[in-house]
Amino acid sequence: EAGVAQSPRYKIIEKRQSVAFWCNPISGHATLYWYQQILGQGPKLLIQFQNNGVVDDSQLPKDRFSAERLKGVDSTLKIQPAKLEDSAVYLCASSSYRDAKNIQYFGAGTRLSVL
Amino acid sequence: GQQLNQSPQSMFIQEGEDVSMNCTSSSIFNTWLWYKQDPGEGPVLLIALYKAGELTSNGRLTAQFGITRKDSFLNISASIPSDVGIYFCAGEPNSGGGADGLTFGKGTHLIIQP
Repeated sequence: EAGVAQSPRYKIIEKRQSVAFWCNPISGHATLYWYQQILGQGPKLLIQFQNNGVVDDSQLPKDRFSAERLKGVDSTLKIQPAKLEDSAVYLCASSSYRDAKNIQYFGAGTRLSVL
Repeated sequence: GQQLNQSPQSMFIQEGEDVSMNCTSSSIFNTWLWYKQDPGEGPVLLIALYKAGELTSNGRLTAQFGITRKDSFLNISASIPSDVGIYFCAGEPNSGGGADGLTFGKGTHLIIQP
């Protein structure tokens, strides 16, 4: 079974530029998550989708971050404009809720450096 | 946002030693999970705990879900070099049923000296 795919693996941009990340979840997983992991920290949830609807975006900085999952499969996360403090690894995860259990599987992440 | 209190922050041990790390929270979680993250990779699930008081093993790993639902620990017995990495605890509220996002600790960096 293929895992969660993310691209690109690395991205270097200058502050105030825009950037987009792509995620393809595990086939059949209805729930998709984007996490931000700053160096030395644990991942922090940015947004959660159930199919193509947003379940939780309470920690998403909506003035500059946006995400969509139009067809309920792939998702993109965008930052516009980027700030220095956005330098982090952006992890995508997906899960399938069954029998009151929800195991999240993570992709390898996109490492963003903002200069 | 909330983060779990995970300790120790780092551990330097000899190969073959046992390892213990724990995680506490001011809030209740109905699911506790332990993940391992290697450099350049995403977190990989080690153990999932679903009931207060539950004790679960996965090979040399043992984890427990605290009775108060506000804490969990992970033990690794007879450590080997491939155990090196960062271990994260994570909690899922599951307060209303259905899937929730995870709240993570800051991680325990395990370093093993041969």
